Amino acid sequence: AQTVTQSQPEMSVQEAETVTLSCTYDTSESDYYLFWYKQPPSRQMILVIRQEAYKQQNATENRFSVNFQKAAKSFSLKISDSQLGDAAMYFCAYRIPSGTYKYIFGTGTRLKVLA
Amino acid sequence: DAGVTQSPTHLIKTRGQHVTLRCSPISGHKSVSWYQQVLGQGPQFIFQYYEKEERGRGNFPDRFSARQFPNYSSELNVNALLLGDSALYLCASSPILGVGNTIYFGEGSWLTVV
Repeated sequence: AQTVTQSQPEMSVQEAETVTLSCTYDTSESDYYLFWYKQPPSRQMILVIRQEAYKQQNATENRFSVNFQKAAKSFSLKISDSQLGDAAMYFCAYRIPSGTYKYIFGTGTRLKVLA
Repeated sequence: DAGVTQSPTHLIKTRGQHVTLRCSPISGHKSVSWYQQVLGQGPQFIFQYYEKEERGRGNFPDRFSARQFPNYSSELNVNALLLGDSALYLCASSPILGVGNTIYFGEGSWLTVV
């Protein structure tokens, strides 16, 4: 069975600094998708970044980038120039490329941004 | 354009009661998925519907059921509520059933069972 593990329940970062959130996963599939979602107090899950497993190049979206290590089954999120609005729960998620949108989520990391 | 809308936003039910949660997908989206998020956990997949047919089901008891209507809106029903059903129920929609598509979440319905 596929699993997603986030070992950091909580992280803190100073405003304008860089922080890395960790995620590991377990799967026997060779093709899949990985995601980072942000959940602010409003509770709405917002997609931050997506990585296709067949792509070797790490995904980047503005201040957000990932370090995807397929062999190690590791998928970390780096947030550069942290802003107060980045404070939220961050969830790592996995999905196989079938028609079913069954996402498997980790337990989340709460990110605090200090002014 | 409106995003995924869910109702009600908050509700309190008593053990043994029944609850119906509603979801309207983004206009043009034909797939709806339901997730349960217990406090302190990540969301867990409950159901996916596409074109009014069930396309996926998670490890939830038969007390949980859902359906999708011709306008692609959806209902999640939970019978014989247990205290452990207290959670945030998230609905997500996507345009079609395709491997590359992203799902878009609503703000959820917070259910408290007392």
